[in-house]
Amino acid sequence: KAGVTQTPRYLIKTRGQQVTLSCSPISGHRSVSWYQQTPGQGLQFLFEYFSETQRNKGNFPGRFSGRQFSNSRSEMNVSTLELGDSALYLCASSFDNEKLFFGSGTQLSVL
Amino acid sequence: GENVEQHPSTLSVQEGDSAVIKCTYSDSASNYFPWYKQELGKGPQLIIDIRSNVGEKKDQRIAVTLNKTAKHFSLHITETQPEDSAVYFCAASIGRNDMRFGAGTRLTVKP
Repeated sequence: KAGVTQTPRYLIKTRGQQVTLSCSPISGHRSVSWYQQTPGQGLQFLFEYFSETQRNKGNFPGRFSGRQFSNSRSEMNVSTLELGDSALYLCASSFDNEKLFFGSGTQLSVL
Repeated sequence: GENVEQHPSTLSVQEGDSAVIKCTYSDSASNYFPWYKQELGKGPQLIIDIRSNVGEKKDQRIAVTLNKTAKHFSLHITETQPEDSAVYFCAASIGRNDMRFGAGTRLTVKP
């Protein structure tokens, strides 16, 4: 079985721009979660989608949004990028709502 | 919400020695406690997990213990090997995909 696939692997943007990250979950997994990982804040929960519906949301501003498609693939969008948005963005899929399977992440650098 | 604290932040051991990483959680309703290993350039990988109705679980050289009364759980790695070097994260959740992670422990195993 293929693992969780995240694209792109690296991204460089400038302040004020917007970015869209993509995640393809493991086949059969309908839950997709997104996390932000930074050296100072660790792994912070962004949101979780299940069957195209957002079920949970972390404590992030409205600039961070996401969606899930009928094939369970998910995208997250960050608008009006700030320097502090530089981070590794991790997507995780799950079959049983507990065991998370992470992708390798998208490293976003905001200049 | 749930708060997870993890200690130590860095740990260095000699090959063959044991390593112990400890976590505490704040919400007594938490019922699922996984441990993740993150190697350089990769996403976190689930290595072992425990539920609140179990006090201890072992998988070869890895074991996890849970003390619900004290609200803490620990990861024990015996006979450490250089390939165990990585960052380890504990986490706690109350059902649904709203996992809260500890800040991580960087384990270095010296040959």
